[in-house]
Amino acid sequence: NAGVTQTPKFQVLKTGQSMTLQCAQDMNHNSMYWYRQDPGMGLRLIYYSASEGTTDKGEVPNGYNVSRLNKREFSLRLESAAPSQTSVYFCASTSLWWSHNEQFFGPGTRLTVL
Amino acid sequence: KQEVTQIPAALSVPEGENLVLNCSFTDSAIYNLQWFRQDPGKGLTSLLLIQSSQREQTSGRLNASLDKSSGRSTLYIAASQPGDSATYLCAVRGETSGSRLTFGEGTQLTVNP
Repeated sequence: NAGVTQTPKFQVLKTGQSMTLQCAQDMNHNSMYWYRQDPGMGLRLIYYSASEGTTDKGEVPNGYNVSRLNKREFSLRLESAAPSQTSVYFCASTSLWWSHNEQFFGPGTRLTVL
Repeated sequence: KQEVTQIPAALSVPEGENLVLNCSFTDSAIYNLQWFRQDPGKGLTSLLLIQSSQREQTSGRLNASLDKSSGRSTLYIAASQPGDSATYLCAVRGETSGSRLTFGEGTQLTVNP
């Protein structure tokens, strides 16, 4: 099992450009999440999808959109990138079965917006 | 709103020492608490998950305890090794937050040979 995979690993954008971060999991998890990690701010939830077909805003959703393409894939889109979106982005997934709800994380995408 | 605090922010110890990392949370209504490890430039690796009904969990040299009523958890690392050097994060899943986690900012651990 590959676990949670993310593409790309690194990206540099200019202000105003758009891009989509891809995430896929092969653990048959029903819930998926997008976080950003910034120095001094910790990990903050951007959007999540509790199950296929649903998405909800997290703590810092402004400037982002998401798509739960199917059970395996959850993408994060920046429509018009801003320097404040320079960060490391992590995708995570979990099963909501009571005793199996560990969150598993991908390796991250390091995004710089100039 | 749930807040998670980890103290200390950084810790440096000699190899072989036993150590304790602390995590506190403001709202005791939680389903579970999870400890993660993050190496520089890498993602988070799950170490231990403690359900709200449990007092502790063990994995190898790691032991995590949970005192839900006082809003505290500790991660005990026995016989520390240089390979344990990393940032350790705790996260709680609240009873009213669905499946979302609230993270602490982590403790950066350095184990010196």
